[in-house]
Amino acid sequence: AQTVTQSQPEMSVQEAETVTLSCTYDTSENNYYLFWYKQPPSRQMILVIRQEAYKQQNATENRFSVNFQKAAKSFSLKISDSQLGDTAMYFCAYILTGGGNKLTFGTGTQLKVEL
Amino acid sequence: GAVVSQHPSRVICKSGTSVKIECRSLDFQATTMFWYRQFPKQSLMLMATSNEGSKATYEQGVEKDKFLINHASLTLSTLTVTSAHPEDSSFYICSASAGHIQYFGAGTRLSVL
Repeated sequence: AQTVTQSQPEMSVQEAETVTLSCTYDTSENNYYLFWYKQPPSRQMILVIRQEAYKQQNATENRFSVNFQKAAKSFSLKISDSQLGDTAMYFCAYILTGGGNKLTFGTGTQLKVEL
Repeated sequence: GAVVSQHPSRVICKSGTSVKIECRSLDFQATTMFWYRQFPKQSLMLMATSNEGSKATYEQGVEKDKFLINHASLTLSTLTVTSAHPEDSSFYICSASAGHIQYFGAGTRLSVL
């Protein structure tokens, strides 16, 4: 079965600090895309960052970056200079290439950014 | 770009009535749309995959006669909860695919009295 594991149900970080959210996944396929989505209190799902599995270079989007370790099937998200607006539930997910674009989600990590 | 509109954002209805939720891709065409259900503090649960011009594909355990999905155009999919009961109360979210990325609507909170 395809699974995504987020081992940290809740995390907190001080404003302006850096935090890393972990994610591991399990698939026997070789071609896929990985994503981090955030869901703030408004409950709107927002794409944070994506990574193509065939690319070795880690994706970066402003303060957000990933550490993609394909062999270890690990895809962690690093948030630098944390801001109060980063408070949200963060979901790790992937899509198999040729899998009908169906997302497999993790259980989520609730991140709270504190003053 | 890649905006998905979902309407209504909140609906309260009486038990036994039907409720329709619309999902529109505003600035792109989506051959595939998805419908999810989310319980409090949980992840999204895929209910069905909706392809334009064809019947939706439902996930195991989802009653297709209760959750009717129509995808009549490349920019519109609808979910109708038929004969709603209190146990159908939940947060429903749609998404639309642009390539390998899913863009999400803002969700609909359904409360069945």
